[in-house]
Amino acid sequence: GDQVEQSPSALSLHEGTGSALRCNFTTTMRAVQWFRKNSRGSLINLFYLASGTKENGRLKSAFDSKERYSTLHIRDAQLEDSGTYFCAADPSSGSWQLIFGSGTQLTVMP
Amino acid sequence: EAAVTQSPRNKVTVTGGNVTLSCRQTNSHNYMYWYRQDTGHGLRLIHYSYGAGNLQIGDVPDGYKATRTTQEDFFLLLELASPSQTSLYFCASSRDPGEQYFGPGTRLTVL
Repeated sequence: GDQVEQSPSALSLHEGTGSALRCNFTTTMRAVQWFRKNSRGSLINLFYLASGTKENGRLKSAFDSKERYSTLHIRDAQLEDSGTYFCAADPSSGSWQLIFGSGTQLTVMP
Repeated sequence: EAAVTQSPRNKVTVTGGNVTLSCRQTNSHNYMYWYRQDTGHGLRLIHYSYGAGNLQIGDVPDGYKATRTTQEDFFLLLELASPSQTSLYFCASSRDPGEQYFGPGTRLTVL
């Protein structure tokens, strides 16, 4: 089965509100990356975590390798936050590839 | 911020056609990767490379070849393109096994 399960698949928020995206892993991961795919289709790096939490502006991410999950919190959502968000995990198996979740389509509404 | 460029940005070809997608990174990264991304799916790894002359098989390699000619340049080759290869292709690089930086993507359509 899929090693990275991302939820929800779609999310609608009103401006100024917030929510969380989550990725669950079926195996131990060494690190996790979060991306946003913008309207031009480019993948923007948001966070890279090997443990703990990181915060950047209105975004905050956490990664718990032992509990096998990562979260991305968005607060005070703005229209420009709309896009598809992906998590990608780096397995501990020695393989140097990222395993991607299927993405969360975020729509921020006025 | 790592710089990864891809060309072309858009490509249309016919079934059986020969296509080469190019990727260049200018950050002296050792590792480079080719992914494809299809609607409703995350990115899937096609091929990757540790360095010039090295090639490793990813998760979905069938129908694709790749070549790493220099540390900077990584090419993806479709010698007999099929409609199932219509997709958005991303190249990425990383200094070591760790944070990856992605190019802007190439949209390929096989008619």
